[in-house]
This record gives sequence, structure tokens and C-alpha cells, in this order.
Amino acid sequence: QKEVEQNSGPLSVPEGAIASLNCTYSDRGSQSFFWYRQYSGKSPELIMSIYSNGDKEDGRFTAQLNKASQYVSLLIRDSQPSDSATYLCAVRGKAAGNKLTFGGGTRVLVKP
Amino acid sequence: DTGVSQDPRHKITKRGQNVTFRCDPISEHNRLYWYRQTLGQGPEFLTYFQNEAQLEKSRLLSDRFSAERPKGSFSTLEIQRTEQGDSAMYLCASRRQGAYNEQFFGPGTRLTVL
Repeated sequence: QKEVEQNSGPLSVPEGAIASLNCTYSDRGSQSFFWYRQYSGKSPELIMSIYSNGDKEDGRFTAQLNKASQYVSLLIRDSQPSDSATYLCAVRGKAAGNKLTFGGGTRVLVKP
Repeated sequence: DTGVSQDPRHKITKRGQNVTFRCDPISEHNRLYWYRQTLGQGPEFLTYFQNEAQLEKSRLLSDRFSAERPKGSFSTLEIQRTEQGDSAMYLCASRRQGAYNEQFFGPGTRLTVL
């Protein structure tokens, strides 16, 4: 079992619709959860962080965390063609200062 | 530009040669990380510095890899006797001290070993 799992996609979404991305993780002691966006050939760009159960909204993005189910998700509302990218879920373990463990990413394609 | 910077952005080398990459973190960030990313995969952790101390190394980091952060500012990653399997994007990230602070990535160095 991978430590952080994501559906590789592609997730095809019509422009203006909601894109829903999911991520599960295996380390129950994980405390910090991040979503990064990565355009082809570029480095990951942080778009959301979440640390406690529930929802966190930032503009068109909403991150949702359920520690009991070891599940974190990202919703992109009013999807735009510029949202077409790979979205990486990253988890930081219990010990402070430790590495991020990444999923393989979900490729999102927003079609005009 | 106050972000993480990396140099060079691209490196093409022949198998068996040594290469060195540099990372300059965001100035107030005392934590620095190196990751490696291959096509279609998420970044994989290589090593981590808190100030000048290298506190964690992945088992992915073979003896041919070495990293330093001599003054707690910039860091270098050296790969000796490069192999074709070393071809990847090498990413540097930094963050401030604190339990919940986020990591920010530099633009990466794309290494191609011929």
C-alpha cells in the first residue's frame, strides 16, 4: 500500500464545473496536509494547506480533511482552462520537521 | 525575487560525470529540503537540513549523493559518477521553523544523463 494515494486521472471537467480530487493516506499520525498544483515542466506550487478536520476555503478552492477516514480532498469551483494541471496531495508525518510524502498526482483537464 | 532559487535550471551530462546543484532558500527559512521527481510521479524526499545540520536522509540517497548546507543558508547537492537512472527533476524546498509552516519549492534543476 502506498503511503499517499491519488487517482492518476485524467479528470476531465467542463469549464465552470466543480472538479473533485481525492487523496487517502496511511499514516494515522499525520498532522499536516497540503495540495500543490504542478503545470507540465514546472515545479509544484502550494495552493492549500489544512491541519484540522473539516473544510477550509480559499477563493475557488476548498480543502476537506477527515482524519478518522484518513482522507483529504480538494474541490475546485468554477473550473477554468488555466486550472488544467496535475494536483499533488502531500502529507507531513507526526515528527516536526519531517519530509512531505506525495501522492502520484491527479491530472485535471478543464475543457472549454 | 524572494522565492527559492535553484541553479542550474537544466544540466545535461554524460554517464560517469559528477554534477553539483545549488539551492538558495527563502531568506528567513531555516529548514531546507531536497526532493527528486521523475516523470509521472510525485516528488520523493531525499534529504533535510535544519540550519546547517543534515537531520534526515532517505534510503534513496545512495553513497553517490551528498548534500551540504555549510553556513545554514544555501545548499548544494552533488551526484558523483552519474547514471542514466539519475535523470530526473531535482527540487529544493524551504520553510520557516514551526510545526505547521508550509514548504515552498524552487523551480527545480532538470538533469539528463546521457
